[in-house]
Amino acid sequence: AQSVTQLDSHVSVSEGTPVLLRCNYSSSYSPSLFWYVQHPNKGLQLLLKYTSAATLVKGINGFEAEFKKSETSFHLTKPSAHMSDAAEYFCVVSEAGTASKLTFGTGTRLQVTL
Amino acid sequence: GAVVSQHPSRVICKSGTSVKIECRSLDFQATTMFWYRQFPKQSLMLMATSNEGSKATYEQGVEKDKFLINHASLTLSTLTVTSAHPEDSSFYICSAREASGGTQETQYFGPGTRLLVL
Repeated sequence: AQSVTQLDSHVSVSEGTPVLLRCNYSSSYSPSLFWYVQHPNKGLQLLLKYTSAATLVKGINGFEAEFKKSETSFHLTKPSAHMSDAAEYFCVVSEAGTASKLTFGTGTRLQVTL
Repeated sequence: GAVVSQHPSRVICKSGTSVKIECRSLDFQATTMFWYRQFPKQSLMLMATSNEGSKATYEQGVEKDKFLINHASLTLSTLTVTSAHPEDSSFYICSAREASGGTQETQYFGPGTRLLVL
């Protein structure tokens, strides 16, 4: 069975400061990991994905995430937050052989202040 | 590329009526589409997996007779909420996986449909 834990339900940062959204996963097999962003009343947009290639994954809008197997983590970072980054972020895991069945974390709401 | 649309974006209906939501992959073929439900301030919960030309696979606790899914073509899946009740009010989101083989292909999500049952 696979699961995802997003450690913070809400994160607030000032514009221009770094962003760290934490995610830990549990998976019986080699997982694929994703970060999706959801703006209010919108669908989900893929930020980045890890599929057993390079452990440091670069995504869109300056975001990146590092897959750490020893820590079972896949934290999302960005060096400098922008007001437009304010949204809900979901960490997602998919196990090999599950026909792409995704398991979502509970989400982290990122607030960016001036 | 990889755009998924949903129609309608918002629907209000009376209790007891049925509502159909369409999910289309606009620029790729999708052998598999997924239907999710999201309650306010909560995460997405998978309802069912829809494969083109075959019956949908429903997650535990999802009533297949209430949430009818049809995936008649490689670019269209529909979700019909039959005899809708206020507790069915939610945000319904579909996703589509490209028909390029493998089990780890990315899912692309539609913009969602907000259903309000009065």
